[in-house]
Amino acid sequence: GESVGLHLPTLSVQEGDNSIINCAYSNSASDYFIWYKQESGKGPQFIIDIRSNMDKRQGQRVTVLLNKTVKHLSLQIAATQPGDSAVYFCAENYYGNNRLAFGKGNQVVVIP
Amino acid sequence: NAGVTQTPKFRVLKTGQSMTLLCAQDMNHEYMYWYRQDPGMGLRLIHYSVGEGTTAKGEVPDGYNVSRLKKQNFLLGLESAAPSQTSVYFCASSYSKGLAKNNEQFFGPGTRLTVL
Repeated sequence: GESVGLHLPTLSVQEGDNSIINCAYSNSASDYFIWYKQESGKGPQFIIDIRSNMDKRQGQRVTVLLNKTVKHLSLQIAATQPGDSAVYFCAENYYGNNRLAFGKGNQVVVIP
Repeated sequence: NAGVTQTPKFRVLKTGQSMTLLCAQDMNHEYMYWYRQDPGMGLRLIHYSVGEGTTAKGEVPDGYNVSRLKKQNFLLGLESAAPSQTSVYFCASSYSKGLAKNNEQFFGPGTRLTVL
């Protein structure tokens, strides 16, 4: 079957470099945002989240930035590794009941 | 803990056949969700449930039915499968009462369904 990564924007990055993945969200009322990583043949896996009362949050090798003025979210991965090769999805919560609206995803390919 | 599990992992159906996909979670989550994922697209919500005995429509509910008879299980049914339902189906769960951090959805490994 086709990979989920086909037809997606692709970021090719050299191993060891930093990666930046961008996401435009749709609803100014969204109060929670989350980034997921999906490797081929697997389910999405949580990376990091951020609430709308923050503009930056850091995790292990990852940072999420939120710009509510322009409804933009970014994920920064420091010192990208081959294991970071995957499709990355952003999601926003504005429905309530923890429902998330997902973006279409960005493919990251790490070049050894 | 197993987290979220899905059965089966793969299935091939003929047009018009029916089947049920099973999702189970052992995290005592209140909310459960069924998504479909097609190439080049994000996850689209089919149906969801905010508690045992309750279900609601998501973004793309047509052609699917769901049931949540037990808190830990969420079933997705296709009564008469169509080729347009060829997809990868993911189940997710979230929200435990009493926890401060509760918005994250935990996903299962997926079921790859092909309808001929």
